[in-house]
Amino acid sequence: NAGVTQTPKFRILKIGQSMTLQCTQDMNHNYMYWYRQDPGMGLKLIYYSVGAGITDKGEVPNGYNVSRSTTEDFPLRLELAAPSQTSVYFCASRIWTANYGYTFGSGTRLTVV
Amino acid sequence: TQLLEQSPQFLSIQEGENLTVYCNSSSVFSSLQWYRQEPGEGPVLLVTVVTGGEVKKLKRLTFQFGDARKDSSLHITAAQPGDTGLYLCAGRETSGSRLTFGEGTQLTVNP
Repeated sequence: NAGVTQTPKFRILKIGQSMTLQCTQDMNHNYMYWYRQDPGMGLKLIYYSVGAGITDKGEVPNGYNVSRSTTEDFPLRLELAAPSQTSVYFCASRIWTANYGYTFGSGTRLTVV
Repeated sequence: TQLLEQSPQFLSIQEGENLTVYCNSSSVFSSLQWYRQEPGEGPVLLVTVVTGGEVKKLKRLTFQFGDARKDSSLHITAAQPGDTGLYLCAGRETSGSRLTFGEGTQLTVNP
């Protein structure tokens, strides 16, 4: 199993550009999540999905969009990138059983200049 | 959103020393998880505690969930350089679908 795969690993965007961060998992997990991690700030939830076709906002959704057309894929879209979106983005997934841990991808480091 | 406060934020110790990291909240969680994150990687699950007062051991790491399920601690005995990393606690809301993460404790164990 590859687990959770995120691409790209690094990206530099100019202010106002758009991009999609890709996330795919091969564990047939129902739940998927997008977090951002800023230095010294822990992980903040952007969006999450409890299954294909279902998405919901987390703590910091502004400036982002998601879709979940399949169980495997959960892309995160940034429209009109801003310097405040400079961060490390992590995708995670878990099975439906509540107390199972999350499996995280290795992250995408995004810089907006 | 339920908040989790971790302390200390930074900890630098010598190999062989013991340490404790704390995770506190004013809210009740249905369960609490601890993760360790190394540079350039995503967090990796260490343990899940579910029952108030529960204690779990993972080699030299001991995890405890508070009786009221509002707090947790991680104790490391005889720390080693390989224990270096960012330790994150995460509480599960009673609704069950989301985790709230603490801000992390950056541990450095010097040889």
